Amino acid sequence: QKEVEQNSGPLSVPEGAIASLNCTYSDRGSQSFFWYRQYSGKSPELIMFIYSNGDKEDGRFTAQLNKASQYVSLLIRDSQPSDSATYLCAVNMASGYALNFGKGTSLLVTP
Amino acid sequence: DTAVSQTPKYLVTQMGNDKSIKCEQNLGHDTMYWYKQDSKKFLKIMFSYNNKELIINETVPNRFSPKSPDKAHLNLHINSLELGDSAVYFCASSRGSANEKLFFGSGTQLSVL
Repeated sequence: QKEVEQNSGPLSVPEGAIASLNCTYSDRGSQSFFWYRQYSGKSPELIMFIYSNGDKEDGRFTAQLNKASQYVSLLIRDSQPSDSATYLCAVNMASGYALNFGKGTSLLVTP
Repeated sequence: DTAVSQTPKYLVTQMGNDKSIKCEQNLGHDTMYWYKQDSKKFLKIMFSYNNKELIINETVPNRFSPKSPDKAHLNLHINSLELGDSAVYFCASSRGSANEKLFFGSGTQLSVL
């Protein structure tokens, strides 16, 4: 199975700071990239997706994609304690009918 | 009205038993999935079905048998349960391929004793 790598953390940032989450992937043919957020004991929920190189912004979230470096990142501006969760990077599989997930980065935003 | 519902939420059973988990989606989606999340939170694809047809079987032991009676339902039957099967099993659906948003069920916590 193609790999999706994330630093497991925990990543601790103070409230109001920018949290930066990173992800690398091994399959050069991957076309679609996703960030899911999972609170403890809950199911994952989609927060961002990106298909093209560059940046994509949605509110406090910015996803960045660099296909040449096989690198995806998620920036969270003005981090809030409610952002404390595990962030899962996901990349589409070659068939297009499933996602490969990374092991997730645990983010802790301290008041 | 829950979009993707799976039952039961908790399942505690003995090694060697057979158990089933049911999943239903009311979103009109064409594709359904089973994912397994282990104790280290690693979410791994097990099966993917599109319009009732098996698309992906990710080297899952054949003790696991998915069944999709129609495109709104994807059930998972597990024979001869082993300790290593203990995990949270998530059902999910998407409108078409996985390039679209996945909607997850609330998960089934399986504990094999």
